[in-house]
Amino acid sequence: EAGVVQSPRYKIIEKKQPVAFWCNPISGHNTLYWYRQNLGQGPELLIRYENEEAVDDSQLPKDRFSAERLKGVDSTLKIQPAELGDSAVYLCASGMNTEAFFGQGTRLTVV
Amino acid sequence: GNSVTQMEGPVTLSEEAFLTINCTYTATGYPSLFWYVQYPGEGLQLLLKATKADDKGSNKGFEATYRKETTSFHLEKGSVQVSDSAVYFCAPTTNQFYFGTGTSLTVIP
Repeated sequence: EAGVVQSPRYKIIEKKQPVAFWCNPISGHNTLYWYRQNLGQGPELLIRYENEEAVDDSQLPKDRFSAERLKGVDSTLKIQPAELGDSAVYLCASGMNTEAFFGQGTRLTVV
Repeated sequence: GNSVTQMEGPVTLSEEAFLTINCTYTATGYPSLFWYVQYPGEGLQLLLKATKADDKGSNKGFEATYRKETTSFHLEKGSVQVSDSAVYFCAPTTNQFYFGTGTSLTVIP
């Protein structure tokens, strides 16, 4: 069975440009998470979905970040405009019954 | 809210040495406890878990016991290998996973 698939794996953009990340969770998983991992740190939650509903987005910087999970399956995370401090690895995870499975992440570099 | 404190790294051990990585947590409610491992350039992989007090999670020679009285979930392995070199994250969870800063382990031959 395929795991959590994220794309792209790497992205380099100039500051003030928009960027989008895509996540395809494991089939049947109702819960989907987006995390941001800065270099040398642990992942920090940005948003959690239960099906298509965002049930926890308290840590999402809503002035520039947005996310959606149409039909409760795939999800996209967008940053517009990107800032230098947004350089990080963006991890998507899906799960059920509290266990979560992570994708390989998208490494974003803002220059 | 939940939080987790992990032993600071980096940790360097010789092959076949004994490993302990300490983890203590604070949580509202009754969390499940997880250890995740991150190999270089990869995403997080579930290593082991425990869902109630005194449960022992184990996988690939690693073990951790859910100690509710001390709010701890220390990771141990009796004999590490070079292939165990990675960053290890302790993560208590109720509705979401709270990760520590991770402990980097390097095993040298």
